Amino acid sequence: TQLLEQSPQFLSIQEGENLTVYCNSSSVFSSLQWYRQEPGEGPVLLVTVVTGGEVKKLKRLTFQFGDARKDSSLHITAAQTGDTGLYLCAGAGNTGKLIFGQGTTLQVKP
Amino acid sequence: NAGVMQNPRHLVRRRGQEARLRCSPVKGHSHVYWYRQLPEEGLKFMVYLQKENIIDESGMPKERFSAEFPKEGPSILRIQQVVRGDSAAYFCASSFRGPRDRGYNEQFFGPGTRLTVL
Repeated sequence: TQLLEQSPQFLSIQEGENLTVYCNSSSVFSSLQWYRQEPGEGPVLLVTVVTGGEVKKLKRLTFQFGDARKDSSLHITAAQTGDTGLYLCAGAGNTGKLIFGQGTTLQVKP
Repeated sequence: NAGVMQNPRHLVRRRGQEARLRCSPVKGHSHVYWYRQLPEEGLKFMVYLQKENIIDESGMPKERFSAEFPKEGPSILRIQQVVRGDSAAYFCASSFRGPRDRGYNEQFFGPGTRLTVL
C-alpha cells in the first residue's frame, strides 16, 4: 500500500517567516502534485513535479521533488496572511489514482 | 473555460435514502476520479472511470456505492441506503491524460458535494 506522510500537520507562524512542508514515502511516484484547499472548496492544483531532483518556483513558493521521486517539499518564503490554508501533497502512480498526504494546515498571523 | 462542476454542492439525506452526486469534467477530459474526504481525514480515492468504463474501483465500498460515466452526460456517484457514516465531502476530479498515456496525469478538482446524513 502506498502512503504519503505529510508533516507538520499544523503550522502557525507570523507573517514574514519562512516555512517548509514535507511529504515522504517509501514508494516511488511517477509525479507528485501539490494542492491548496480553502474551507468549503475543492483542492486547487498549485504545481506538478515529475523529474527526480526537479525544483519549481511559483512566486514565493518553491517545490522540490526528491532524487528518488519518493519525497517532496514545499517551501514558502516570507509568508503572508493570504497563504493561510490547507496544503496537500498527492502522489501519482501508474494506476491513475492519487495518494494524498494528511495535509498541513497553515495559519499565518499578521 | 469551465472547470470541473459538481452538483449539488450540499445534499441532506435521511438514513436509508439514496444520494446521487453529479460531476461534469473539464471539457475535453475523458478521465474522471471520485474521492471522499471524511471529517478530520485526508482525501481518499474511491473510483476511476473513463468514458463508459470503470477502470479502478478499489477504493469504493463494495455495497451501496456505484459509479458511472456514460457516453453522454455527467459522471454519477450513487449511494444507496445512506448511513450516517457516509456523511463526508465527495470530490470529483478530471484529467486529460490517463496513467497509460504519455506525459503526466494532472487532476483538476471540482468544488465538492457535502453530503449530510441525518
